[in-house]
Amino acid sequence: DGGITQSPKYLFRKEGQNVTLSCEQNLNHDAMYWYRQDPGQGLRLIYYSQIVNDFQKGDIAEGYSVSREKKESFPLTVTSAQKNPTAFYLCASAPGWTSGRGEQFFGPGTRLTVL
Amino acid sequence: SQQGEEDPQALSIQEGENATMNCSYKTSINNLQWYRQNSGRGLVHLILIRSNEREKHSGRLRVTLDTSKKSSSLLITASRAADTASYFCATDVRTGNQFYFGTGTSLTVIP
Repeated sequence: DGGITQSPKYLFRKEGQNVTLSCEQNLNHDAMYWYRQDPGQGLRLIYYSQIVNDFQKGDIAEGYSVSREKKESFPLTVTSAQKNPTAFYLCASAPGWTSGRGEQFFGPGTRLTVL
Repeated sequence: SQQGEEDPQALSIQEGENATMNCSYKTSINNLQWYRQNSGRGLVHLILIRSNEREKHSGRLRVTLDTSKKSSSLLITASRAADTASYFCATDVRTGNQFYFGTGTSLTVIP
């Protein structure tokens, strides 16, 4: 099956700990994105990557880090520097800027709760 | 911020009625997309309209785009209980490679 997966679905973390959220896609997409969604809110962009070994900060990158060592993987680390990390995290992929399609494909999300 | 605004924030209708939600944005775009999100799930793409298009249909969905007013509307005709979800617009701005999502409209369709 082609698609985009995120794991785990639920994640609990103690204050002061770093945690890494997984995002994998087998759609052969160049672009990948991480969004944060708070209750009753829209999506806010954390980081995005247009190509392997390259990524750019989004609107709310502080306290987060990413890597893009492989085309199919774009893990997000929530560091202890993120002051309010409890949220629903969504990963997405898209064919890329030159494709012209524009559609993003979303994973099922990871709900992170800081205890 | 480029983030769009959906209006209304929440909408409750009877099954069979039409639902209309609106999206406004701030800067020039390549295209505008509408997504649907069921509670606690990822987003699903519904329809894309390019900046040079004014209206587009897909099944029971009708989308309009007015670039002079920087606004779009999504019409769902003959609504069903299964249409209950949150609906978001997303803009693909001309500068950069980001998508900006609106704040969403929560639609409840009462059987």
